[in-house]
Amino acid sequence: EIVLTQSPGTLSLSPGERATLSCRASQSVSSSHLAWYQQKPGQAPRLLIYGASSRATGIPDRFSGSGSGTDFTLTISRLEPEDFAVYYCQQYGSSPYTFGQGTKLEIK
Amino acid sequence: EVQLVESGGGLVQPGGSLRLSCAASGFTFSNYAISWVRQAPEKGLDWISAISGSGGSTYYADSVKGRFTISRDNSKNMLYLQMNSLRAEDTAVYYCAKHPYSGSFSPLDYWGQGTLVTVSS
Repeated sequence: EIVLTQSPGTLSLSPGERATLSCRASQSVSSSHLAWYQQKPGQAPRLLIYGASSRATGIPDRFSGSGSGTDFTLTISRLEPEDFAVYYCQQYGSSPYTFGQGTKLEIK
Repeated sequence: EVQLVESGGGLVQPGGSLRLSCAASGFTFSNYAISWVRQAPEKGLDWISAISGSGGSTYYADSVKGRFTISRDNSKNMLYLQMNSLRAEDTAVYYCAKHPYSGSFSPLDYWGQGTLVTVSS
């Protein structure tokens, strides 16, 4: 099983700032089968990024993903008020399709 | 519009059974793999099972293997999760989520709103 470790656990930033979230895998994620999701309280998760760097339909271009192998990054270039939420990475290259434990992005 | 609506959650005693359903609409159901993902209260996401579009391939997390069974009825656009030998640690909101392809080695592009399962005496 591939274990995904996200850091930091909590990130406190202000609107307009840049956010950098990390996801590290215990072994290489095949074919960059890595996704990022956003979840707000009381809501289902929403797909942001797939294939490590491709934005899902309707996702603003301030969200970008990068990385390969075992190290992946989600970057939000300029934070909007609606971006404060919990973010999860997930690998879907091999079953079980594990999630990271999440990074909470909170308003400073 | 893609819609996934879970049902069947509720309160069940430890050791008991429950069957969750997920009604799909707005897409050609048989063309897409579907997963179940759960989230314990105040915890993170936990992928537990997936089934291919045809239903011929199924996958499980070790935590539920042998206790849970995923299935689908493509004639009814329905997904199911039969949960047996339930434990307190199975308490969670259960989401069904669609993959963008027939195979499950792909992300989850649409999610339902979830159904709550509580395992308690």
